Amino acid sequence: SQQGEEDPQALSIQEGENATMNCSYKTSINNLQWYRQNSGRGLVHLILIRSNEREKHSGRLRVTLDTSKKSSSLLITASRAADTASYFCATVLVNNAGNMLTFGGGTRLMVKP
Amino acid sequence: NAGVMQNPRHLVRRRGQEARLRCSPMKGHSHVYWYRQLPEEGLKFMVYLQKENIIDESGMPKERFSAEFPKEGPSILRIQQVVRGDSAAYFCASSPETGPYEQYFGPGTRLTVT
Repeated sequence: SQQGEEDPQALSIQEGENATMNCSYKTSINNLQWYRQNSGRGLVHLILIRSNEREKHSGRLRVTLDTSKKSSSLLITASRAADTASYFCATVLVNNAGNMLTFGGGTRLMVKP
Repeated sequence: NAGVMQNPRHLVRRRGQEARLRCSPMKGHSHVYWYRQLPEEGLKFMVYLQKENIIDESGMPKERFSAEFPKEGPSILRIQQVVRGDSAAYFCASSPETGPYEQYFGPGTRLTVT
């Protein structure tokens, strides 16, 4: 089973609205990262939050991490049509010497103009 | 500073042929990761390499798949005797030797097995 699972699997909103995506994971992590993937393209790193951090901001992005609940959320404020993409959370596990990422299944966000 | 480069971007192979996928990490990065993505799914880790060493290949099928990252040149993911189920997007990522562990992804190679 996947380490990370995103919720919802798909989200459709109007431009200007906020979009919230959630991610749950199963085992202890070193850090959690969010990536964006436009259709048919590679992944773009958005933000990294370490296990001892609770919240981080980057522009219109806000990420929270609750290690007690093993969950994270990504909030995109004032969404734009260009935010339409798939969003993935990925975890780096504790004792993971290789820092390889374990991805969830993603949330497909559609922002309607 | 060029990003992670992968080639080819698209690769079509018939069943039974070999596929070779190349990845050049970002300048200064010595850690390379390969991931596979099936349609409508997230990425699955395959293998992690440092120069001339395979560190973790726990996500890579034991048969037909191999990877290398030589001292000189790109990292190569090699799939022998491809089958239709190998059709997927293969992404390479690199990271610097030290933290903060974010990975930089290439554009991917889309392999189609006919």
